[in-house]
This record gives sequence, structure tokens and C-alpha cells, in this order.
Amino acid sequence: LAKTTQPISMDSYEGQEVNITCSHNNIATNDYITWYQQFPSQGPRFIIQGYKTKVTNEVASLFIPADRKSSTLSLPRVSLSDTAVYYCLVGDHLSGSTLGRLYFGRGTQLTVWP
Amino acid sequence: DTEVTQTPKHLVMGMTNKKSLKCEQHMGHRAMYWYKQKAKKPPELMFVYSYEKLSINESVPSRFSPECPNSSLLNLHLHALQPEDSALYLCASSQGGVRYEQYFGPGTRLTVT
Repeated sequence: LAKTTQPISMDSYEGQEVNITCSHNNIATNDYITWYQQFPSQGPRFIIQGYKTKVTNEVASLFIPADRKSSTLSLPRVSLSDTAVYYCLVGDHLSGSTLGRLYFGRGTQLTVWP
Repeated sequence: DTEVTQTPKHLVMGMTNKKSLKCEQHMGHRAMYWYKQKAKKPPELMFVYSYEKLSINESVPSRFSPECPNSSLLNLHLHALQPEDSALYLCASSQGGVRYEQYFGPGTRLTVT
């Protein structure tokens, strides 16, 4: 099971780009890296997923170096509504099963200030 | 429709009560999950159902009893809970496997008195 390490908190101002880095040194060959966002008293929401190099969608970009031992979530031009907890997850594939499990680490509390 | 619904939104129960949490999805997802989340902590996986069969039980105490009556419904039956079981209970569904995103419901805020 690949453990993830993220900063506990980050602060930013509106309009800035935010980069949150996650360390996952013992990631397995078949593991994917997934990021979720969670607002208070709501369920987490999928942001982005990747395996290697760079992935971009309408919300964020995910940068994964060749060794895959870390990943960086990039949020362009954040707004106040991006204040949330961001979780980096590395999927755990069960032997003989495609179910997998998602283990949430402690997450990063991002606070965006006006 | 990419929504997972959960009822009730809030629940207060005594330690001797029996209650149930309900989760519903109509996305045709084959996997459904229960998570428990304490304040300021990350969600913790409790159960995973695949094709209506219990596939994973993360050593959850028997006072929590999951049930999957059909492919769209997931229940969590609660009995003889303890105050420390007070938490936000989240339901999620997915197509199965870590390649697929999990869609979470808004959760049920449970308080055990």
C-alpha cells in the first residue's frame, strides 16, 4: 500500500496559481494517482487522475515525474471557492480484483484569501 | 444523472436505538462504498460492495451492518452504537477499480447520544 505525504496546509491569494505536491515513494507499477477535493460537510469530489507525465482537464493539471514517486496538483488562478481540503490518493489494487481501494491520507487544507 | 443521494441528512440516535442510513445511485455503477469521516480527519473506508455482494469489510464492528438490496441501493444498519461512532457517513459509487472516479453523496451526519 503506497502511503502519501502532503503538506498539512497551504495559503494563497485569489488569482494565483497553487501547486500542491504529494509524495508517494513506494507507489506500485499498476497504481494510479488521483486527487479529490472536499468542502466542509460534503463528500469528496474527483478532480483529476493520472499515471505518468502530465494530465490536464478544465479544472486542474497533474504533473507526474518519470519515477512517479511524487505528483503535483496545479490549480490555475484560484478563487475563494477553491478553499477546501485536497487529497492525494494512490490506488491499491486487490489481488485478483479490479475493485481497488482508495485510502485517503491527511490531505492539504488550502485557504484562499481575497 | 451523476448524483449519489443519501438519507437522512442528519440523524440523532441513542445507544439502544436501531436506525438505517440509505444511499442511492442511478448511474449503473457496479461498486458501492461506505466511508466514515470524523471531524478534521480523512474519510475511512468501511465496506465495499461489488455487484451487490460484500467484497471488502475493513474490520468494521458488527454494530454496523451493510446491505445492498439491489444495484442502486445501499443501506447501513446501525445498532447499539457508541458515542464515538458519531461521524459523517459517506456513500460512494463507481464503475469499480481505481481507474474510475468515485462519486460521493453528501453524507449523513450521525450523532450518538
